[in-house]
Amino acid sequence: NAGVMQNPRHLVRRRGQEARLRCSPMKGHSHVYWYRQLPEEGLKFMVYLQKENIIDESGMPKERFSAEFPKEGPSILRIQQVVRGDSAAYFCASSPLLAGIKNIQYFGAGTRLSVL
Amino acid sequence: GENVEQHPSTLSVQEGDSAVIKCTYSDSASNYFPWYKQELGKRPQLIIDIRSNVGEKKDQRIAVTLNKTAKHFSLHITETQPEDSAVYFCAASPTGTASKLTFGTGTRLQVTL
Repeated sequence: NAGVMQNPRHLVRRRGQEARLRCSPMKGHSHVYWYRQLPEEGLKFMVYLQKENIIDESGMPKERFSAEFPKEGPSILRIQQVVRGDSAAYFCASSPLLAGIKNIQYFGAGTRLSVL
Repeated sequence: GENVEQHPSTLSVQEGDSAVIKCTYSDSASNYFPWYKQELGKRPQLIIDIRSNVGEKKDQRIAVTLNKTAKHFSLHITETQPEDSAVYFCAASPTGTASKLTFGTGTRLQVTL
């Protein structure tokens, strides 16, 4: 089991460009979560998805940010027209679909976005 | 929504001593409490977790206690070693259906020789 895979590990963008971050969950996992970590801070929830559905996007900024988890392929976190304040580490986590079982989330290695 | 507070923000102990990190939560619906260890530049890794139907859980040198009435839970590390140096995060979540984790702000633990 390869674990949660995120790419790229590092991404540099200029202000106004688009950033696309990818996350492949662990095999057999159907829940994907995205978290953002600013330097020297904790992880903040952004969005929770299942295949083809957004379940909870209460942590997503209202503009420029979107997420998807298509039927085939990885989950994508997309940031349009990036600004310097978007510079952060973005972590993806996945968990299995096991009703009634504690919600263990396994994290990927993260994508470190730097906006110049 | 849920709010998790974590103390202290930094903790320095000598090798072999014990370390205790404390967290409080606000939402009585939370009933799953994991602890993650994050080394510099690495992913958060689950080290121990506890559900609300249990008051204490232990795994070798690591233990977690939960007081659901007071809404607080703690991580205890005994016989600390230099490799325990990292940032530790507590989190809280409701269970039953998969749900988001609300994290504390982290504790930077430094184990000195």
